[in-house]
Amino acid sequence: GESVGLHLPTLSVQEGDNSIINCAYSNSASDYFIWYKQESGKGPQFIIDIRSNMDKRQGQRVTVLLNKTVKHLSLQIAATQPGDSAVYFCAENASGGYNKLIFGAGTRLAVHP
Amino acid sequence: DTEVTQTPKHLVMGMTNKKSLKCEQHMGHRAMYWYKQKAKKPPELMFVYSYEKLSINESVPSRFSPECPNSSLLNLHLHALQPEDSALYLCASSQDRDPATDTQYFGPGTRLTVL
Repeated sequence: GESVGLHLPTLSVQEGDNSIINCAYSNSASDYFIWYKQESGKGPQFIIDIRSNMDKRQGQRVTVLLNKTVKHLSLQIAATQPGDSAVYFCAENASGGYNKLIFGAGTRLAVHP
Repeated sequence: DTEVTQTPKHLVMGMTNKKSLKCEQHMGHRAMYWYKQKAKKPPELMFVYSYEKLSINESVPSRFSPECPNSSLLNLHLHALQPEDSALYLCASSQDRDPATDTQYFGPGTRLTVL
């Protein structure tokens, strides 16, 4: 992902709406992708992952979509809640034998009541 | 249990000090990682240990010295740091069963301030 300088892109949603967070990845050889959630003052928390042989994976309230043609990843959160407010990072593993994650720039999700 | 613990939570040190950050996991993971995260930026990989051996050093300055005493513990020794080294230092671990797809689990981080 590209650096966005001093300000993270922010997605503002109303409580109860669905959220879609997008991520472009850089390496067409990447074979594993992860979404992490990072709340203020905490470490990144695993949300959901997807392998390159899949194009969709669902979890509880979250869905990850992978489009390898355009190297795009998205995270959909259903019925967004105030507790979902955080910075969301996508990460790709393209290390060819090493578990080396490359993180995207991150998106701040702000949920309003 | 997917818990990685880190101590201390906060650390303030001078440029001439020597200090250490500690990380521990009891999930039986055999790979451990150090990341550095500046404000409003994503984590950046510093070091990877696999089965207690250093496998990746991302050209980190020698004032950062990692150590893996056993498969559950990871240390980061700090010496002669600069103010620009102030950041959140994150530890992570993974099973190391399949490096291409193992999930990394992160600790809460140590907030380091260098004066």
